[in-house]
Amino acid sequence: DVKVTQSSRYLVKRTGEKVFLECVQDMDHENMFWYRQDPGLGLRLIYFSYDVKMKEKGDIPEGYSVSREKKERFSLILESASTNQTSMYLCASSRQGFDGELFFGEGSRLTVL
Amino acid sequence: AQSVTQPDIHITVSEGASLELRCNYSYGATPYLFWYVQSPGQGLQLLLKYFSGDTLVQGIKGFEAEFKRSQSSFNLRKPSVHWSDAAEYFCAVGVNTGFQKLVFGTGTRLLVSP
Repeated sequence: DVKVTQSSRYLVKRTGEKVFLECVQDMDHENMFWYRQDPGLGLRLIYFSYDVKMKEKGDIPEGYSVSREKKERFSLILESASTNQTSMYLCASSRQGFDGELFFGEGSRLTVL
Repeated sequence: AQSVTQPDIHITVSEGASLELRCNYSYGATPYLFWYVQSPGQGLQLLLKYFSGDTLVQGIKGFEAEFKRSQSSFNLRKPSVHWSDAAEYFCAVGVNTGFQKLVFGTGTRLLVSP
């Protein structure tokens, strides 16, 4: 069964802490994505990677960075967490080319106090 | 700018009744359109997609959607809802902004009453 795994389902962090959200996919997909999901706002794209060490900013990259050192792993980094980054974070992957089918992880719910 | 509107935040349907979830998009070119479902505590799963051709597309779990260019709509339908269909449904449009990405609507939460 194809799988996108997010290492942490629930995290509680303090303002100013550095936060790492990890995502691993086992489908040999070229593309990986980080979305943020908030009630009433739907999903918003933070960053996208189409290859190892390659990244593109999405719609809301401010306050975030990403790392993709291996094809299967895509990390989202909050250098200095703030309370307005409290949210659900969803990782997704897809094949090269565009058929629109994203495979999502179960999400990481981050609370910043 | 590209956008997707899902006008209904919540919808309650009786089990066995028919369902229609509304989606309107704004996009200058021929759209690629998608419906995703998110069950409680889960990630999103693709239900169906429209790229071209037949405007009525069939998806998984008995869902279908109809593309109507004149109305800029892509409504999701199911003839008979099951309790397991209770979930949040997201419509999305595929756009090319230098790279391909999906722009999602704000979602419609479906509640199924017995």
